[in-house]
Amino acid sequence: QSALTQPASVSGSPGQSITISCTGTSRDVGSYNIVSWYQHYPGKAPKLMIYEVTKRPSGVSNRFSGSKSGNTASLTISGLQAEDEADYYCCSYAGSSTWVFGGGAKLTVL
Amino acid sequence: EVQLVESGGGLVQPGGSLRLSCAASGFTFSSYWMNCVRQAPGKGLEWVANIKEDGSEKNYVDSVKGRFTISRDNAKNSLFLQMNSLRAEDTAVYYCARGNFGALDIWGQGTMVTVSS
Repeated sequence: QSALTQPASVSGSPGQSITISCTGTSRDVGSYNIVSWYQHYPGKAPKLMIYEVTKRPSGVSNRFSGSKSGNTASLTISGLQAEDEADYYCCSYAGSSTWVFGGGAKLTVL
Repeated sequence: EVQLVESGGGLVQPGGSLRLSCAASGFTFSSYWMNCVRQAPGKGLEWVANIKEDGSEKNYVDSVKGRFTISRDNAKNSLFLQMNSLRAEDTAVYYCARGNFGALDIWGQGTMVTVSS
């Protein structure tokens, strides 16, 4: 049950695109197409942004997209906006009905 | 409105116990797995436990096994987390979250638990 690995911080200018990586192992990210991403503003409830690697819940901007290759999943945010500045967490199914989160990446919009 | 509201957090001494509650509304509670996730101060999110729709299966992160018990009352649309033998490292904001489509799609606002003497 080791946490998935994310960069501690990422940054970009308004209008640019950024990608946040999420590296796991063959026991979690690599074995299941069940990776989700959450946007979290301090003091607020986390919000689901991507599920099942690539799917967007209703109401989430199409500027957010997800992908996966091997043991690494990625979240891409295009057309960065000031309101995107938040913490982003990945989460993967880890088998036996358990889950594991990444350490979180703080996105700064310059 | 689909909503989860946590309660029961507070200050407790090391070795003490606390019972968290999560009240669900706006959806058929008995049709979903429910999860508990926590965030220690300055740290990331950590999945803690979950429980199947009918309560027949429960799973825990290793660090809380034998100390925490998750349960639910579908008649009262409520989720519970009984926390015993609390340690300083259990200090965190505790969230309840609904499981759906391989993700946690609805989250509560969280309740703070502080373990300190």
